[in-house]
Amino acid sequence: GEDVEQSLFLSVREGDSSVINCTYTDSSSTYLYWYKQEPGAGLQLLTYIFSNMDMKQDQRLTVLLNKKDKHLSLRIADTQTGDSAIYFCAEKEVGTYKYIFGTGTRLKVLA
Amino acid sequence: DVKVTQSSRYLVKRTGEKVFLECVQDMDHENMFWYRQDPGLGLRLIYFSYDVKMKEKGDIPEGYSVSREKKERFSLILESASTNQTSMYLCASSFSGGQNIQYFGAGTRLSVL
Repeated sequence: GEDVEQSLFLSVREGDSSVINCTYTDSSSTYLYWYKQEPGAGLQLLTYIFSNMDMKQDQRLTVLLNKKDKHLSLRIADTQTGDSAIYFCAEKEVGTYKYIFGTGTRLKVLA
Repeated sequence: DVKVTQSSRYLVKRTGEKVFLECVQDMDHENMFWYRQDPGLGLRLIYFSYDVKMKEKGDIPEGYSVSREKKERFSLILESASTNQTSMYLCASSFSGGQNIQYFGAGTRLSVL
């Protein structure tokens, strides 16, 4: 079945760039999403990319999509302590109501 | 701003109790979802609804039921709570078209003792 995989942890120093990676299996997915979850809270949409795009930039966030390798990444420039959270990538299956989420990557930003 | 509101942030219930988790959205979204979130397992879909009175099972529906009597409200029901249903429960809603973005509530942390 469809699967979305992420590494569990990432640690970076404040001011550095963070790159969170995700691989997915559904080649027919239309939209891919990045969500942020702060402690004790729900998921907040950060950004999304349509599957016919290679890159999307939104302020400090850059999303790169490699459809051939089914690889999605989220780069956070100038990472701040407030960026410490769990980041989920997700894809939506074409023709269904179903979204597949990764297990989440816990980003820790060291001062 | 889209708002998805879950009625409780924290709940403590006893084994065997009937538990209701309520979710309300204010954006006239057709679709509503219930997930549970457990460490290392990500989000797993319990049920979703694409219209009033319509529901579909997700990946882990056992032990749960849902109700959608009005478009803005989607309820998750644990008929007889068990300790393995201790978890974080997240409600979400979305339009059927456009970017299909899901908007999430703040979550309900349920402990079953």
